[in-house]
Amino acid sequence: DSGVTQTPKHLITATGQRVTLRCSPRSGDLSVYWYQQSLDQGLQFLIQYYNGEERAKGNILERFSAQQFPDLHSELNLSSLELGDSALYFCASSVTAVTEAFFGQGTRLTVV
Amino acid sequence: KNQVEQSPQSLIILEGKNCTLQCNYTVSPFSNLRWYKQDTGRGPVSLTIMTFSENTKSNGRYTATLDADTKQSSLHITASQLSDSASYICVVRARNSGNTPLVFGKGTRLSVIA
Repeated sequence: DSGVTQTPKHLITATGQRVTLRCSPRSGDLSVYWYQQSLDQGLQFLIQYYNGEERAKGNILERFSAQQFPDLHSELNLSSLELGDSALYFCASSVTAVTEAFFGQGTRLTVV
Repeated sequence: KNQVEQSPQSLIILEGKNCTLQCNYTVSPFSNLRWYKQDTGRGPVSLTIMTFSENTKSNGRYTATLDADTKQSSLHITASQLSDSASYICVVRARNSGNTPLVFGKGTRLSVIA
């Protein structure tokens, strides 16, 4: 158990809908990362937050947004969902913006 | 462009045999390199982390090497076990990288069979 908690574990929704994925980082970790992993693909970096502020942005679609709250948990919002958004979404956390990241177990999103 | 390339894409070996996975990167300036193991449908778990000055690091039956001059790393697994079946991902962190702090390879999918 990495100490990073993601909810829900599974999510099935229809195209055009909006969902929110939640991540609780390890105790004491200030940095949160979000990644997308499509079937048989590598992990794609979406966005990173550090202590509530956006730190780095990767290949994140405009339909997607994220935030990190004062208690350091983070949410990833996915809207106007398309079939191609079906993937595993991982959250990772680290103590600082440059130390090792520990991954959660992921949220499997299926868009039908 | 910062990239991490891994080979082979997939590998099947018999239980008890050794294998070596390769990682080539173009990430610059280099900060560190990590190997992760990812079981199917689970989050990646760190195996080793190597900085510029480290050539070899072991973690049980896993030994990682790093050649910072040629920008290559390898992960050697000895006496493989069925539980080693997973994807192995090479991840390179760039120093002062701006928008891409971590660059991921696509992984090598290892299957260990009895």
